[in-house]
Amino acid sequence: GQSLEQPSEVTAVEGAIVQINCTYQTSGFYGLSWYQQHDGGAPTFLSYNALDGLEETGRFSSFLSRSDSYGYLLLQELQMKDSASYFCAVHGSGGYNKLIFGAGTRLAVHP
Amino acid sequence: GAVVSQHPSWVICKSGTSVKIECRSLDFQATTMFWYRQFPKQSLMLMATSNEGSKATYEQGVEKDKFLINHASLTLSTLTVTSAHPEDSSFYICSARDLAGVREQYFGPGTRLTVT
Repeated sequence: GQSLEQPSEVTAVEGAIVQINCTYQTSGFYGLSWYQQHDGGAPTFLSYNALDGLEETGRFSSFLSRSDSYGYLLLQELQMKDSASYFCAVHGSGGYNKLIFGAGTRLAVHP
Repeated sequence: GAVVSQHPSWVICKSGTSVKIECRSLDFQATTMFWYRQFPKQSLMLMATSNEGSKATYEQGVEKDKFLINHASLTLSTLTVTSAHPEDSSFYICSARDLAGVREQYFGPGTRLTVT
């Protein structure tokens, strides 16, 4: 089977740095993606890691360790608009295209 | 970026009726589209993979006769919820990837279905 674990909730203040961890178990693995979803909205793509290491895109960075079946999303200089749910998703068994999502982490950013 | 639309954005129907949801890729062609269901404050659960010109592939536990999927063209996939029941009330989201094979999937805005 496949499973992903990530914290259910995280709270932080504006300007802070937050790390959202994701561990996964899957029979096949092509990569790990991160998506952001505001309440009532569509998920939007943030980043993708296929190889070990850090990918940086502006204020957001994502890390992957394939040997540890672990990744994280790092959000820097937090803003109020970053309050949303963040999902890690594995491109796993069933092919690269097929995404299996984690349960999501609700991030609340306070002034 | 690529845009995926869904129609309708919300729908209320009576128990026992059928509802069709459309998913369109507006500025790219998608050989593969995906249908997800999301309950409040929960994750996206993949229901099925829709392939243009062929039958959809359903995930375990998803009734293919209840959730009919048709991917008639490279820009349109439809999900029909047949004989809807209140437990089918949910947020249905489609996604697509384009032929260029980029790594990300583009998600539609979702359709909120309420069955009374």
